[in-house]
Amino acid sequence: DAGITQSPRYKITETGRQVTLMCHQTWSHSYMFWYRQDLGHGLRLIYYSAAADITDKGEVPDGYVVSRSKTENFPLTLESATRSQTSVYFCASSDRDAEAFFGQGTRLTVV
Amino acid sequence: GQQLNQSPQSMFIQEGEDVSMNCTSSSIFNTWLWYKQDPGEGPVLLIALYKAGELTSNGRLTAQFGITRKDSFLNISASIPSDVGIYFCAGIFRTNAGKSTFGDGTTLTVKP
Repeated sequence: DAGITQSPRYKITETGRQVTLMCHQTWSHSYMFWYRQDLGHGLRLIYYSAAADITDKGEVPDGYVVSRSKTENFPLTLESATRSQTSVYFCASSDRDAEAFFGQGTRLTVV
Repeated sequence: GQQLNQSPQSMFIQEGEDVSMNCTSSSIFNTWLWYKQDPGEGPVLLIALYKAGELTSNGRLTAQFGITRKDSFLNISASIPSDVGIYFCAGIFRTNAGKSTFGDGTTLTVKP
């Protein structure tokens, strides 16, 4: 199916563990984004990518790592999860200067 | 960096009432976007605006791109219970690497 999919939808992990959130899009959009959404903060940009092998930091990148070896995939890794990273994470894709299409989100709880 | 001020933060209205929300910025944008987020879902685009002064409708929704390019508003007429959700504005500045700047959202509650 065409679209943007995130996995897993829900994840519980322990403090200090590494966890990777997956994002896959089928539109061949050049841009991909990772946001986190917390109450009172709206959507905050973590990292974005303008094309395969090109990534850059957003507003809140600390504690996160991304890669983009293929246009369609943009995984987000928390190298050593902390409780402050408990959040809902959204992946999005777009063409340049165009509206973004969002995945359904991953609800991550760090205990 | 660019920031958007979205207001109001939340609204509690009766079914059938009209709703108005807006976003302002100290910077200009080339594109204004309005999204709606239903509970448990990702934001979905409602309306996109590409020219200063542009007024665009989508059913009961109407949005305008401010003449100064620093603001935009969204109106919802005759609200219904399914309008409940969080509404986000977003602005794109052409040289900003394709990134959108998002407002903090307006949470809408509609009482039947």
